Amino acid sequence: ETGVTQSPTHLIKTRGQQVTLRCSSQSGHNTVSWYQQALGQGPQFIFQYYREEENGRGNFPPRFSGLQFPNYSSELNVNALELDDSALYLCASSRASGDNEQFFGPGTRLTVL
Amino acid sequence: ILNVEQSPQSLHVQEGDSTNFTCSFPSSNFYALHWYRWETAKSPEALFVMTLNGDEKKKGRISATLNTKEGYSYLYIKGSQPEDSATYLCALNTGFQKLVFGTGTRLLVSP
Repeated sequence: ETGVTQSPTHLIKTRGQQVTLRCSSQSGHNTVSWYQQALGQGPQFIFQYYREEENGRGNFPPRFSGLQFPNYSSELNVNALELDDSALYLCASSRASGDNEQFFGPGTRLTVL
Repeated sequence: ILNVEQSPQSLHVQEGDSTNFTCSFPSSNFYALHWYRWETAKSPEALFVMTLNGDEKKKGRISATLNTKEGYSYLYIKGSQPEDSATYLCALNTGFQKLVFGTGTRLLVSP
C-alpha cells in the first residue's frame, strides 16, 4: 500500500504568478483534504474533495482552487500569488469523507518572492 | 472560530524522562480529537483518534486521555527516547474531516 505523495517537494515563485501543487492519495482512498501551514502556525484547512467534488472549504479566497481526478489524485491551484502564500502545503487522504483517519503527505514548501 | 491551544510550545528533556503535553479546546462540539507526531521533513503520522469523554489510548510508551467536559487532552510519553523528538500536533475533527489544528508542541529529547 503506497502512502500519500506530493509534488514538487519545494518551489519558488514570484508575486502574481500561478502555481499548481499535486497530491496522490493513498490506495483505496477517495477523499483528499488540503492544508496550509504558515510559519509558526498549525495547519489550516483549505478545502476537501470527495469523489471529484468540493466537499467543504475553509476561510481561503477563491484564488485557491482545486481539482480531484477519477483516480482520486488531486491538485491545488493558487492564482495571483501573494507573499503571504509562502507556506508548507499538506494534503491528506482518507477512505471516505466521514472516516476519522487521515493520512498526510510530506508537503510542498512554497516560497513566494 | 474554534481555537485549539497546545502547551508548552516547546520542551527539552533528557533521555529517560517522562513528559506530557496539553491540548485545550473551548467546546465539546466536535467529532473526534486527533494526535499527530511530525518529524522534520516527514509526513505527520497519526498517533491516536479519540471520540468519547474519558477515552484513553496507548501505543507503546505513548498514551493519551480525553476530557471533553473540561476541554482538554493530555499526551504522555514515558521514558522519552531521542527518536521521540518531533512536533506533536493535536487537531479537532469538526465535521467533513475538517481538522482544526493547534500550533503543536516541539519536543527535543537529548541523549
